[in-house]
Amino acid sequence: DAKTTQPNSMESNEEEPVHLPCNHSTISGTDYIHWYRQLPSQGPEYVIHGLTSNVNNRMASLAIAEDRKSSTLILHRATLRDAAVYYCILRDEGNNDMRFGAGTRLTVKP
Amino acid sequence: DAGITQSPRHKVTETGTPVTLRCHQTENHRYMYWYRQDPGHGLRLIHYSYGVKDTDKGEVSDGYSVSRSKTEDFLLTLESATSSQTSVYFCAIRGTLATEAFFGQGTRLTVV
Repeated sequence: DAKTTQPNSMESNEEEPVHLPCNHSTISGTDYIHWYRQLPSQGPEYVIHGLTSNVNNRMASLAIAEDRKSSTLILHRATLRDAAVYYCILRDEGNNDMRFGAGTRLTVKP
Repeated sequence: DAGITQSPRHKVTETGTPVTLRCHQTENHRYMYWYRQDPGHGLRLIHYSYGVKDTDKGEVSDGYSVSRSKTEDFLLTLESATSSQTSVYFCAIRGTLATEAFFGQGTRLTVV
């Protein structure tokens, strides 16, 4: 299975943009890139996903490298409520399982 | 909010006793998952189900069994609980064509 690599932790200042990187050098052509986040004392929640093109939604933007070996989750203006662990995972719609790594712990400073 | 509930939310049990955790959904989703979360390890997949009576092992399945006799319920059983199974357990669901998964609020299990 293709794996992802993320930094263990990152810090950001409130109201500044945050760029969370994810490397997935062994990604296959049918793997979707998904991002989830886990707020303190809660279960993970979906953030965004994409296949080849950049994606935007109300929560964030996803920038995917042209070779698809890396991607970046962009929070345009970090708030204190964005402090969470962010997970980047790969999903092949033909596979049934769904595996997470350790993610990136984002700290937002006021 | 997705209709997924876990029970119990908290449980303390003794070493060697059997424990069953329940994940219940009202979404009629095909796929259901059980994870455990420990400090420094993120989410680790224990078992998952892709239909009634269809289950498979995940990354850390030793010491756990699962059952899914109907679409809405996915049970995780620790046949003989050990202290190493003290953890927070999360259930997740997703539909066949949906790409978004929904997670429960978690069950905190302490084995003493």
